Amino acid sequence: AQKVTQAQTEISVVEKEDVTLDCVYETRDTTYYLFWYKQPPSGELVFLIRRNSFDEQNEISGRYSWNFQKSTSSFNFTITASQVVDSAVYFCALSEETGANNLFFGTGTRLTVIP
Amino acid sequence: ETGVTQSPTHLIKTRGQQVTLRCSSQSGHNTVSWYQQALGQGPQFIFQYYREEENGRGNFPPRFSGLQFPNYSSELNVNALELDDSALYLCASSWRPGYNSPLHFGNGTRLTVT
Repeated sequence: AQKVTQAQTEISVVEKEDVTLDCVYETRDTTYYLFWYKQPPSGELVFLIRRNSFDEQNEISGRYSWNFQKSTSSFNFTITASQVVDSAVYFCALSEETGANNLFFGTGTRLTVIP
Repeated sequence: ETGVTQSPTHLIKTRGQQVTLRCSSQSGHNTVSWYQQALGQGPQFIFQYYREEENGRGNFPPRFSGLQFPNYSSELNVNALELDDSALYLCASSWRPGYNSPLHFGNGTRLTVT
């Protein structure tokens, strides 16, 4: 069965600090996708990144970076030099190859960046 | 490019009533998925519609039903509302079904059942 665990419920950092959000997943499929979404107070889920199970290269996009390690079933997300606008709930999600592209979400990590 | 729009934004209903939520998909997208997000939880997949047919369903009872129209807009209907149905309902569209087609979400409809 598929499962996504985000053990950090809430994190607070001071502006300009780096922060890493953890994500651990479980799946029996060999082909799957992992995602990160950001949910600001407005409620909309904003797509940040998609990574397929065959691509373990880390990715950097501006202040955001992602570390995918199949050996530990983890897909962690780091924000460098955090800003107040980064305050939101962040969700990690898993989508398997079979069936509709339904996403299995973790319970989210609420990040608060203090000015 | 028009994004995913949902209506209404907020809704209050009484237990036992029925509700209809609406979603307009992003331009060029023919697939619509619905998710339920309870307070403090991650979204849970309800079902997906592709070309006006249900294309997959999560672990939700039959009183949760949907429709997709020829213009790819969609409705979520919930009958016999229960208190636990109080949640944010998110609609997402994608350009096709499949696990590698990113979902684009709307702002959601917040449903409160009293």
